[in-house]
Amino acid sequence: AQSVTQPDIHITVSEGASLELRCNYSYGATPYLFWYVQSPGQGLQLLLKYFSGDTLVQGIKGFEAEFKRSQSSFNLRKPSVHWSDAAEYFCAVGATGGGNKLTFGTGTQLKVEL
Amino acid sequence: DAGVTQSPTHLIKTRGQQVTLRCSPKSGHDTVSWYQQALGQGPQFIFQYYEEEERQRGNFPDRFSGHQFPNYSSELNVNALLLGDSALYLCASSLGVLRNTIYFGEGSWLTVV
Repeated sequence: AQSVTQPDIHITVSEGASLELRCNYSYGATPYLFWYVQSPGQGLQLLLKYFSGDTLVQGIKGFEAEFKRSQSSFNLRKPSVHWSDAAEYFCAVGATGGGNKLTFGTGTQLKVEL
Repeated sequence: DAGVTQSPTHLIKTRGQQVTLRCSPKSGHDTVSWYQQALGQGPQFIFQYYEEEERQRGNFPDRFSGHQFPNYSSELNVNALLLGDSALYLCASSLGVLRNTIYFGEGSWLTVV
């Protein structure tokens, strides 16, 4: 069965600083991977996804993520954080042929200091 | 282009009661899944519907049931509500059951008292 680990429960960065949120997955075959963002009391908004091909994927709001098979990682990055990026970020893995069955990590709460 | 829509947005139920939550998938999507997100946790997969049939199910008891209609919309029903069922219930949609982008709605907040 697949699993996702987000090692950082909380992260605080200053506005304008760079950001990296870590995500490690466990899955026997080639996974497909997502990052979602959730603002308080809201649903999940898709930031980016990786299915195959180029291991560096670009998303919305200036986010990018890199798939590293050797490290079983899919870390999310942003070069310069804005105060509006404060939210909870979830990494999720889907199984090949697994349809909509995503397995989520426990999330990383991002706080941005002005 | 309408995204995934869910109703109601908030509701309060009493222990032992039954609840029905509704979801309309994103335009063009035919597959709907439901997730439960407890406070401070990541979403947990409940089940998936495709072609009006339950295709996959997570580790949830039979008190959780669902339905998909010919127009691809879906309902989640929970019977004999427990306090522990209090959570945000998220609906997700995609096209087909293979690798495809999955979009989520805003969710329905259920409080059981």
